[in-house]
Amino acid sequence: NAGVMQNPRHLVRRRGQEARLRCSPMKGHSHVYWYRQLPEEGLKFMVYLQKENIIDESGMPKERFSAEFPKEGPSILRIQQVVRGDSAAYFCASSPSTSGGLNTQYFGPGTRLTVL
Amino acid sequence: GQNIDQPTEMTATEGAIVQINCTYQTSGFNGLFWYQQHAGEAPTFLSYNVLDGLEEKGRFSSFLSRSKGYSYLLLKELQMKDSASYLCAVRVPSGTYKYIFGTGTRLKVLA
Repeated sequence: NAGVMQNPRHLVRRRGQEARLRCSPMKGHSHVYWYRQLPEEGLKFMVYLQKENIIDESGMPKERFSAEFPKEGPSILRIQQVVRGDSAAYFCASSPSTSGGLNTQYFGPGTRLTVL
Repeated sequence: GQNIDQPTEMTATEGAIVQINCTYQTSGFNGLFWYQQHAGEAPTFLSYNVLDGLEEKGRFSSFLSRSKGYSYLLLKELQMKDSASYLCAVRVPSGTYKYIFGTGTRLKVLA
């Protein structure tokens, strides 16, 4: 059973370009979470999605950032018109449909975004 | 509001025991999780507490007191490979659930 997959692992963009980060959850998982981590800091919650639904986007900046989890295919975190402050590691995590109990989330390897 | 506090850094000696504390104030509670994160890598799950008391798992144990909003992670017989960040996270209701993370505690194990 493959783990959570993220690609690309490293992404370099110039200011003003768009960044697209992809996350394929573990097989059988229908809940996806996106987090941002700055160097030497903890994980900041961004958005929580289930298939075709955004459940909680309270941690996502109101502008330039969007996320989706379509019926088919990976979850996408999209950052438009990137700025240097967007440089960070972006982690995706997934959990089973039956949340609660010991149904913890499992993390992907992350995408390290560098904005020049 | 949601607030989780952990010490920023700790240092301990190989073979020793170290306790990493976590206090939390969240709107709702459905379990407390500890994760280990080595530099440049993804967090990996260590332990889970939802009821008060101690959960033991080999060299690692985790304790929870819900009335005090307090947990600790206890690492015994420290090894050099335990040098990492340790993240405390609380699962809270949100639709189904979401996870709020502390800033993490960087542990350095010295020879």
